[in-house]
Amino acid sequence: RKEVEQDPGPFNVPEGATVAFNCTYSNSASQSFFWYRQDCRKEPKLLMSVYSSGNEDGRFTAQLNRASQYISLLIRDSKLSDSATYLCVVNMDAGNNRKLIWGLGTSLAVNP
Amino acid sequence: DTEVTQTPKHLVMGMTNKKSLKCEQHMGHRAMYWYKQKAKKPPELMFVYSYEKLSINESVPSRFSPECPNSSLLNLHLHALQPEDSALYLCATSGADTQYFGPGTRLTVL
Repeated sequence: RKEVEQDPGPFNVPEGATVAFNCTYSNSASQSFFWYRQDCRKEPKLLMSVYSSGNEDGRFTAQLNRASQYISLLIRDSKLSDSATYLCVVNMDAGNNRKLIWGLGTSLAVNP
Repeated sequence: DTEVTQTPKHLVMGMTNKKSLKCEQHMGHRAMYWYKQKAKKPPELMFVYSYEKLSINESVPSRFSPECPNSSLLNLHLHALQPEDSALYLCATSGADTQYFGPGTRLTVL
């Protein structure tokens, strides 16, 4: 089983749609969790850190379910500019962010 | 925008060349990283520097040689690379919680 698994997609949705991505991780000792977005031929950029209580930033909501070992990202009212690859990232090292485990990414295309 | 810069943006080199990639950060972070990323794959960790000392080497071939001259700078020296080393090379830094990436150097080895 891969340490961090994501549905690669692609997800094709119309503008204004709500889309959700899930990510599962294998190590129950994992400590911190992130969603990054990466545009084609660009660097990954932090979208959100994910906390146990869940967190929201505008149209984006991230949730963590430690019991089931999955993380979700919800995007509401999708924009064309949301088209990108979304990478689920897990840190298994408490207090030390040195080695992240990356999912393979989920590709999103938002269509007019 | 993040305060991590990388030069050059693009680099084409032959297998006998020696070149260096440079990364500079102005975030005051004490951990710096080199990653390699191939198309449609996630970033793959190569090296980690913590307080200017190499703390992780992910069994990277010796044709890649990292250097951290000070807390703001990170270099990656390249020598005798192979065509399969062509990739996007990303530098990142972190404080307590999160890694921030530079824009990368797109390397092509002929």
